[in-house]
Amino acid sequence: NAGVMQNPRHLVRRRGQEARLRCSPMKGHSHVYWYRQLPEEGLKFMVYLQKENIIDESGMPKERFSAEFPKEGPSILRIQQVVRGDSAAYFCASSPDSAELFFGEGSRLTVL
Amino acid sequence: QKEVEQNSGPLSVPEGAIASLNCTYSDRGSQSFFWYRQYSGKSPELIMSIYSNGDKEDGRFTAQLNKASQYVSLLIRDSQPSDSATYLCAVRVSGGGADGLTFGKGTHLIIQP
Repeated sequence: NAGVMQNPRHLVRRRGQEARLRCSPMKGHSHVYWYRQLPEEGLKFMVYLQKENIIDESGMPKERFSAEFPKEGPSILRIQQVVRGDSAAYFCASSPDSAELFFGEGSRLTVL
Repeated sequence: QKEVEQNSGPLSVPEGAIASLNCTYSDRGSQSFFWYRQYSGKSPELIMSIYSNGDKEDGRFTAQLNKASQYVSLLIRDSQPSDSATYLCAVRVSGGGADGLTFGKGTHLIIQP
Protein backbone atom coordinates (compact mmCIF):
# COMPACT_ATOMS: atom_id res chain seq x y z
CA ASN A 1 0.00 0.00 0.00
CA ALA A 2 1.72 3.12 -1.23
CA GLY A 3 1.93 6.08 1.10
CA VAL A 4 0.81 9.62 0.42
CA MET A 5 2.40 10.69 -2.85
CA GLN A 6 3.31 14.28 -3.51
CA ASN A 7 4.82 15.85 -6.59
CA PRO A 8 6.86 17.64 -7.52
CA ARG A 9 9.26 17.15 -4.63
CA HIS A 10 11.07 20.35 -5.50
CA LEU A 11 9.72 23.27 -7.48
CA VAL A 12 11.42 26.54 -8.41
CA ARG A 13 9.35 29.46 -9.60
CA ARG A 14 10.05 33.10 -10.32
CA ARG A 15 7.97 35.80 -8.70
CA GLY A 16 4.63 36.16 -10.42
CA GLN A 17 4.48 32.61 -11.76
CA GLU A 18 2.04 29.91 -10.71
CA ALA A 19 2.84 26.87 -8.61
CA ARG A 20 0.78 23.67 -8.67
CA LEU A 21 1.39 21.02 -6.07
CA ARG A 22 -0.24 17.60 -6.34
CA CYS A 23 -1.13 15.05 -3.70
CA SER A 24 -2.47 11.52 -4.07
CA PRO A 25 -3.76 10.19 -0.74
CA MET A 26 -3.22 6.68 0.54
CA LYS A 27 -5.57 4.08 -0.87
CA GLY A 28 -8.85 4.16 1.00
CA HIS A 29 -8.27 7.62 2.45
CA SER A 30 -10.88 10.22 1.55
CA HIS A 31 -9.68 13.04 3.81
CA VAL A 32 -6.86 15.30 2.58
CA TYR A 33 -5.11 18.07 4.46
CA TRP A 34 -2.53 20.60 3.30
CA TYR A 35 0.04 22.12 5.67
CA ARG A 36 2.82 24.65 5.18
CA GLN A 37 6.11 24.59 7.05
CA LEU A 38 8.56 27.47 7.07
CA PRO A 39 12.19 26.95 8.19
CA GLU A 40 12.39 26.61 11.99
CA GLU A 41 8.61 26.94 12.20
CA GLY A 42 5.87 24.48 12.97
CA LEU A 43 3.37 23.01 10.58
CA LYS A 44 0.56 25.43 9.79
CA PHE A 45 -2.82 24.08 8.75
CA MET A 46 -4.06 25.43 5.44
CA VAL A 47 -7.05 23.45 4.17
CA TYR A 48 -9.01 20.24 4.69
CA LEU A 49 -10.79 18.58 1.77
CA GLN A 50 -12.86 15.55 1.03
CA LYS A 51 -13.74 14.42 -2.48
CA GLU A 52 -15.13 17.42 -4.42
CA ASN A 53 -15.62 19.41 -1.20
CA ILE A 54 -13.62 21.94 0.79
CA ILE A 55 -14.46 21.25 4.42
CA ASP A 56 -12.28 23.84 6.17
CA GLU A 57 -10.08 26.46 4.50
CA SER A 58 -9.61 28.65 7.55
CA GLY A 59 -5.82 28.43 7.29
CA MET A 60 -5.60 29.37 3.66
CA PRO A 61 -4.59 32.91 2.64
CA LYS A 62 -7.60 34.64 1.11
CA GLU A 63 -5.83 35.59 -2.08
CA ARG A 64 -3.71 33.68 -4.59
CA PHE A 65 -4.18 30.27 -2.90
CA SER A 66 -6.74 27.65 -3.86
CA ALA A 67 -7.18 23.94 -3.38
CA GLU A 68 -9.27 21.22 -4.90
CA PHE A 69 -9.81 17.50 -4.57
CA PRO A 70 -11.73 16.37 -7.65
CA LYS A 71 -13.73 13.20 -7.96
CA GLU A 72 -10.97 11.73 -10.10
CA GLY A 73 -7.31 12.48 -9.67
CA PRO A 74 -5.08 14.02 -7.04
CA SER A 75 -5.69 16.95 -4.76
CA ILE A 76 -4.08 20.13 -6.06
CA LEU A 77 -2.82 23.15 -4.15
CA ARG A 78 -2.49 26.09 -6.47
CA ILE A 79 -0.57 29.27 -5.72
CA GLN A 80 -0.97 32.08 -8.21
CA GLN A 81 1.47 34.97 -8.66
CA VAL A 82 3.96 33.54 -6.20
CA VAL A 83 6.04 35.82 -3.99
CA ARG A 84 9.24 35.09 -2.09
CA GLY A 85 7.30 34.64 1.14
CA ASP A 86 5.59 31.60 -0.39
CA SER A 87 8.88 29.69 -0.29
CA ALA A 88 8.27 26.80 2.09
CA ALA A 89 7.69 23.09 2.36
CA TYR A 90 4.11 22.13 1.61
CA PHE A 91 2.97 18.87 3.14
CA CYS A 92 -0.11 16.90 2.24
CA ALA A 93 -1.61 14.44 4.70
CA SER A 94 -4.41 11.94 4.30
CA SER A 95 -6.63 10.08 6.69
CA PRO A 96 -9.28 7.35 6.42
CA ASP A 97 -11.43 8.95 9.09
CA SER A 98 -10.07 12.43 9.91
CA ALA A 99 -8.39 11.06 13.07
CA GLU A 100 -4.76 10.07 12.50
CA LEU A 101 -3.02 11.90 9.67
CA PHE A 102 -0.34 10.37 7.48
CA PHE A 103 2.00 12.75 5.69
CA GLY A 104 3.59 12.73 2.28
CA GLU A 105 7.24 13.63 1.70
CA GLY A 106 6.36 17.22 0.91
CA SER A 107 6.89 19.63 -1.95
CA ARG A 108 9.56 22.24 -1.43
CA LEU A 109 8.80 25.47 -3.23
CA THR A 110 11.51 28.03 -3.87
CA VAL A 111 10.53 31.40 -5.27
CA LEU A 112 13.35 33.35 -6.88
CA GLN B 1 -6.88 31.00 19.36
CA LYS B 2 -5.76 27.40 19.70
CA GLU B 3 -2.13 27.10 20.81
CA VAL B 4 0.20 24.21 21.36
CA GLU B 5 3.42 24.95 23.22
CA GLN B 6 6.62 22.96 23.27
CA ASN B 7 10.12 23.72 24.49
CA SER B 8 12.15 24.09 21.30
CA GLY B 9 15.30 22.59 22.86
CA PRO B 10 17.68 21.23 21.94
CA LEU B 11 17.13 18.55 24.56
CA SER B 12 20.27 16.49 24.96
CA VAL B 13 19.96 12.99 26.45
CA PRO B 14 22.65 10.31 26.79
CA GLU B 15 22.15 7.07 24.90
CA GLY B 16 20.20 4.52 26.92
CA ALA B 17 18.52 7.11 29.14
CA ILE B 18 14.86 8.19 29.15
CA ALA B 19 13.97 11.20 27.02
CA SER B 20 10.99 13.20 28.27
CA LEU B 21 9.20 15.56 25.89
CA ASN B 22 6.44 17.87 27.07
CA CYS B 23 3.58 19.76 25.47
CA THR B 24 0.83 22.05 26.75
CA TYR B 25 -2.26 23.18 24.90
CA SER B 26 -4.65 26.04 25.38
CA ASP B 27 -8.02 24.72 24.21
CA ARG B 28 -9.86 22.74 26.90
CA GLY B 29 -12.07 21.25 24.20
CA SER B 30 -9.11 19.36 22.71
CA GLN B 31 -9.88 15.68 22.51
CA SER B 32 -7.27 14.02 20.30
CA PHE B 33 -3.52 14.19 20.83
CA PHE B 34 -0.68 13.02 18.66
CA TRP B 35 3.10 12.83 18.64
CA TYR B 36 4.99 12.99 15.37
CA ARG B 37 8.70 12.58 14.71
CA GLN B 38 10.36 14.61 11.96
CA TYR B 39 13.90 14.10 10.78
CA SER B 40 15.61 17.07 9.18
CA GLY B 41 14.34 17.59 5.64
CA LYS B 42 11.81 14.78 5.96
CA SER B 43 8.08 14.51 6.53
CA PRO B 44 6.38 14.10 9.93
CA GLU B 45 5.88 10.47 10.95
CA LEU B 46 3.12 9.50 13.37
CA ILE B 47 4.47 7.84 16.53
CA MET B 48 1.59 7.82 18.98
CA SER B 49 -1.98 8.92 19.40
CA ILE B 50 -3.77 9.26 22.74
CA TYR B 51 -7.38 10.15 23.43
CA SER B 52 -8.02 9.56 27.15
CA ASN B 53 -6.30 10.48 30.39
CA GLY B 54 -3.47 8.26 31.54
CA ASP B 55 -0.62 6.44 29.88
CA LYS B 56 -0.41 4.63 26.56
CA GLU B 57 2.60 2.48 25.79
CA ASP B 58 3.94 1.29 22.44
CA GLY B 59 7.34 -0.34 22.52
CA ARG B 60 9.88 2.15 23.84
CA PHE B 61 7.39 5.00 23.62
CA THR B 62 4.87 6.06 26.28
CA ALA B 63 2.41 8.92 25.80
CA GLN B 64 0.88 10.52 28.88
CA LEU B 65 -2.21 12.72 28.90
CA ASN B 66 -3.59 14.92 31.66
CA LYS B 67 -6.59 16.87 30.40
CA ALA B 68 -7.13 18.69 33.69
CA SER B 69 -3.64 20.17 33.43
CA GLN B 70 -3.86 20.46 29.62
CA TYR B 71 -0.61 18.59 29.36
CA VAL B 72 0.62 15.75 27.17
CA SER B 73 4.06 14.17 27.22
CA LEU B 74 6.10 11.56 25.38
CA LEU B 75 8.66 9.34 27.08
CA ILE B 76 11.26 7.47 25.06
CA ARG B 77 12.97 4.68 26.99
CA ASP B 78 16.41 3.29 26.14
CA SER B 79 17.08 6.26 23.85
CA GLN B 80 19.03 5.52 20.69
CA PRO B 81 20.99 7.88 18.43
CA SER B 82 18.38 7.16 15.74
CA ASP B 83 15.81 8.84 18.00
CA SER B 84 17.54 12.18 17.37
CA ALA B 85 14.92 14.25 15.58
CA THR B 86 12.34 16.97 16.11
CA TYR B 87 9.24 15.78 17.95
CA LEU B 88 5.97 17.53 17.14
CA CYS B 89 2.98 17.58 19.44
CA ALA B 90 -0.40 18.00 17.74
CA VAL B 91 -3.95 18.38 19.04
CA ARG B 92 -7.42 18.43 17.54
CA VAL B 93 -10.36 20.03 19.30
CA SER B 94 -13.23 17.79 18.26
CA GLY B 95 -13.30 13.99 18.07
CA GLY B 96 -13.47 13.82 14.32
CA GLY B 97 -13.48 17.46 13.64
CA ALA B 98 -13.70 19.49 10.52
CA ASP B 99 -10.44 21.31 11.03
CA GLY B 100 -6.94 19.99 10.92
CA LEU B 101 -4.49 19.29 13.68
CA THR B 102 -2.80 22.19 15.43
CA PHE B 103 0.92 21.56 15.80
CA GLY B 104 3.50 22.85 18.22
CA LYS B 105 6.80 24.06 16.82
CA GLY B 106 8.52 20.92 18.02
CA THR B 107 11.30 19.91 20.39
CA HIS B 108 14.68 19.11 18.92
CA LEU B 109 15.99 15.97 20.64
CA ILE B 110 19.64 14.94 20.50
CA ILE B 111 20.70 11.51 21.77
CA GLN B 112 24.38 11.54 22.64
CA PRO B 113 26.22 8.25 21.95
